[in-house]
Amino acid sequence: AQSVTQLDSQVPVFEEAPVELRCNYSSSVSVYLFWYVQYPNQGLQLLLKYLSGSTLVESINGFEAEFNKSQTSFHLRKPSVHISDTAEYFCAVSESQGGSEKLVFGKGTKLTVNP
Amino acid sequence: GAGVSQSPRYKVAKRGRDVALRCDSISGHVTLYWYRQTLGQGSEVLTYSQSDAQRDKSGRPSGRFSAERPERSVSTLKIQRTEQGDSAVYLCASSLWDRGITDTQYFGPGTRLTVL
Repeated sequence: AQSVTQLDSQVPVFEEAPVELRCNYSSSVSVYLFWYVQYPNQGLQLLLKYLSGSTLVESINGFEAEFNKSQTSFHLRKPSVHISDTAEYFCAVSESQGGSEKLVFGKGTKLTVNP
Repeated sequence: GAGVSQSPRYKVAKRGRDVALRCDSISGHVTLYWYRQTLGQGSEVLTYSQSDAQRDKSGRPSGRFSAERPERSVSTLKIQRTEQGDSAVYLCASSLWDRGITDTQYFGPGTRLTVL
């Protein structure tokens, strides 16, 4: 069975600083990887996903994540954050074989961007 | 356009009572999912349905959790004989196709259930 570990439950940073939200996964088969963002009082929104191909995936608002198979990681990065990036971020994994539709989420990381 | 909506947003139930949570998905979406999100423990899928067929992927006591889909864009999650451990946020999501996990899932705001 897959599992996801987000080591940091809270990450406070100052505006325009770089940020990295860590995500490690465990699976015995190949996986698809996702990052979702949840803004206050809103539902989860897909930020970016890795299905295949290039290991570096980008979102439209400047976030990027790199799939590292050897380290079983999918860390999320942004070189310069904005106040509006304050939200909770969830890493998720799903098996890419066997037709599994199961999406397993991590516990989430609360990113707080301070002025 | 309208996204996924859920009602009620908050629900308080006495232990042992049955509850029903509603999800209105995006029109035209084929697959509906129900997730359970527990503070500090992430989220897990409870069940999902593709078109009109219900597939139960629950790792929960399956006898108490069930989902119905009376209309293509409406799903109701029913929890029988609620327990305090059922207190969580229940998320509904839908996707346009039935190709499985590669389809982008669109989530609702969730229903926070508190069982006393």
